[in-house]
Amino acid sequence: DTEVTQTPKHLVMGMTNKKSLKCEQHMGHRAMYWYKQKAKKPPELMFVYSYEKLSINESVPSRFSPECPNSSLLNLHLHALQPEDSALYLCASSQSSGLAYEQYFGPGTRLTVT
Amino acid sequence: AQSVTQPDIHITVSEGASLELRCNYSYGATPYLFWYVQSPGQGLQLLLKYFSGDTLVQGIKGFEAEFKRSQSSFNLRKPSVHWSDAAEYFCAVVPKGFQGAQKLVFGQGTRLTINP
Repeated sequence: DTEVTQTPKHLVMGMTNKKSLKCEQHMGHRAMYWYKQKAKKPPELMFVYSYEKLSINESVPSRFSPECPNSSLLNLHLHALQPEDSALYLCASSQSSGLAYEQYFGPGTRLTVT
Repeated sequence: AQSVTQPDIHITVSEGASLELRCNYSYGATPYLFWYVQSPGQGLQLLLKYFSGDTLVQGIKGFEAEFKRSQSSFNLRKPSVHWSDAAEYFCAVVPKGFQGAQKLVFGQGTRLTINP
């Protein structure tokens, strides 16, 4: 089973709202990732968690706050977002954060900020 | 500069025709190489990967890719496309020699349209 699940599938939020995106995998993977993908563009890495510790933050604004409560779960907390943050947010996982491991992606959450 | 290049933004082929999508990379050491496919509004699915060994790699859905070190290329091929192959295809690399967690770097993508 190489499935990564993400909820919700769609999210519409105002600029003053607080919401969270959730990602889950049951493959025993120890690395998890958040990506942002704008229309007609490739995914851009936001955060990497390795063994539940944040190991990479690609200079993401503080209105995005990641959390890894355990090895299977990854959350992305959203607060005071801007309309330009509207995008597809993808979660991925890999067996390890080492270089020679492929990443498996979830279906994404389509976020619209109004 | 280090980069992954997919020269073709959009390709149209007829159903049943052969397909080749190009990918070139520019890194000091050969990176780990991947092809992913993304259907509209969906996540990315791994088609195949190359880490080392045989330079012709077989993947899922009838796709294959050939690594050519001399050309710094990792082109994706399929002998006969189906209408369901219409999607966005991303070449991606994990550069070597990086200390820390892996960073997957994507090309700009090639959009594949299939004519009936």
